[in-house]
Amino acid sequence: AQTVTQSQPEMSVQEAETVTLSCTYDTSENNYYLFWYKQPPSRQMILVIRQEAYKQQNATENRFSVNFQKAAKSFSLKISDSQLGDTAMYFCAFRTGGTSYGKLTFGQGTILTVHP
Amino acid sequence: DVKVTQSSRYLVKRTGEKVFLECVQDMDHENMFWYRQDPGLGLRLIYFSYDVKMKEKGDIPEGYSVSREKKERFSLILESASTNQTSMYLCASRDTANYGYTFGSGTRLTVV
Repeated sequence: AQTVTQSQPEMSVQEAETVTLSCTYDTSENNYYLFWYKQPPSRQMILVIRQEAYKQQNATENRFSVNFQKAAKSFSLKISDSQLGDTAMYFCAFRTGGTSYGKLTFGQGTILTVHP
Repeated sequence: DVKVTQSSRYLVKRTGEKVFLECVQDMDHENMFWYRQDPGLGLRLIYFSYDVKMKEKGDIPEGYSVSREKKERFSLILESASTNQTSMYLCASRDTANYGYTFGSGTRLTVV
């Protein structure tokens, strides 16, 4: 079974600074996908970024980037130039690439607070 | 935009009641999921459905059942609600043509 671990229950950062959220996972699969989701107080889960395991290049979406270390099974999220609107719960998630019907396995979540 | 609608944002039920949580998606997605979200535990998969009338247990199915009679609707049923089922429930659907998941806004259920 796959597991996803987020070891930081809470993080805080000053506006305009950079913060990194950690995520590790455990799997014996070679083909899989990793995701970071954001859940603001509205509760709506929003996809932040996605990484395919077969791609060596780290995914980037504007101010969001990942550091994907496949051998170490690590998938951290870096948020640059933090904004007040980045305040949310962030979840790391994993999905195998086979016939898993797209089941996502989530980490415990990290509450990020951006201070003005 | 794809929309996943959960019928209630907040719900309060009594112990022993039969509870129905409804989820409707409007984009013909085949896969639908019910997750439970608890502080410190993240989201855990209760049940999922990969097609009409097809369902499979997730990681924590005990005390729950599901129904999918039509493609757009996926219902979560608490046969006899208990206080340990007090939680946030999130529904999601997935487009099998790409990697996109769409989540509902959640139902916060309190069982008293």
